[in-house]
Amino acid sequence: RKEVEQDPGPFNVPEGATVAFNCTYSNSASQSFFWYRQDCRKEPKLLMSVYSSGNEDGRFTAQLNRASQYISLLIRDSKLSDSATYLCVVKGTGGFKTIFGAGTRLFVKA
Amino acid sequence: GAGVSQSPSNKVTEKGKDVELRCDPISGHTALYWYRQSLGQGLEFLIYFQGNSAPDKSGLPSDRFSAERTGGSVSTLTIQRTQQEDSAVYLCASSLVLVTNEQFFGPGTRLTVL
Repeated sequence: RKEVEQDPGPFNVPEGATVAFNCTYSNSASQSFFWYRQDCRKEPKLLMSVYSSGNEDGRFTAQLNRASQYISLLIRDSKLSDSATYLCVVKGTGGFKTIFGAGTRLFVKA
Repeated sequence: GAGVSQSPSNKVTEKGKDVELRCDPISGHTALYWYRQSLGQGLEFLIYFQGNSAPDKSGLPSDRFSAERTGGSVSTLTIQRTQQEDSAVYLCASSLVLVTNEQFFGPGTRLTVL
């Protein structure tokens, strides 16, 4: 089993749609969680951190479920510019190894 | 300010040759990571450095791979006797605070082994 697993997609949605991605992680001791965004042939960039209480940044909402060991990302009112690959990232405690999921591809179409 | 820079941006080499990839992190960032991304795949952790501590080399795929970080700043990833399966984009990232803060990525070096 991979340490961090994501549905690879692709998700094809129309503009204005709401789309949700899930990510599961295997190490229950994991401490920090993030969503990164990677555009085609570009480097990843931090989209948002994921906090235990859940957090929102504009149209983006991230949630963490420690009991079930998954995190989610919800995108409301999708824009064409949201088309990208979304990477789930988990960082453990003790060591500082960062594990990236393989990513979920999103295509938003007019 | 300047971001993370990497050189070369592209490297084509013949199987069996050694290559060196360079990363200049953001000034003042104490943590530095190397990752590898194969076509259509996620990022594979290779190694990280934090200040003067011993690096975590747990992600290096074989003893042909090594990395060093001189003076707590610039890092070099060396791949000896390259193989075709080493072809990938090698990404470097730096971070100001090791545990939770954002990693800033460089543009990567695209390595092609013929």
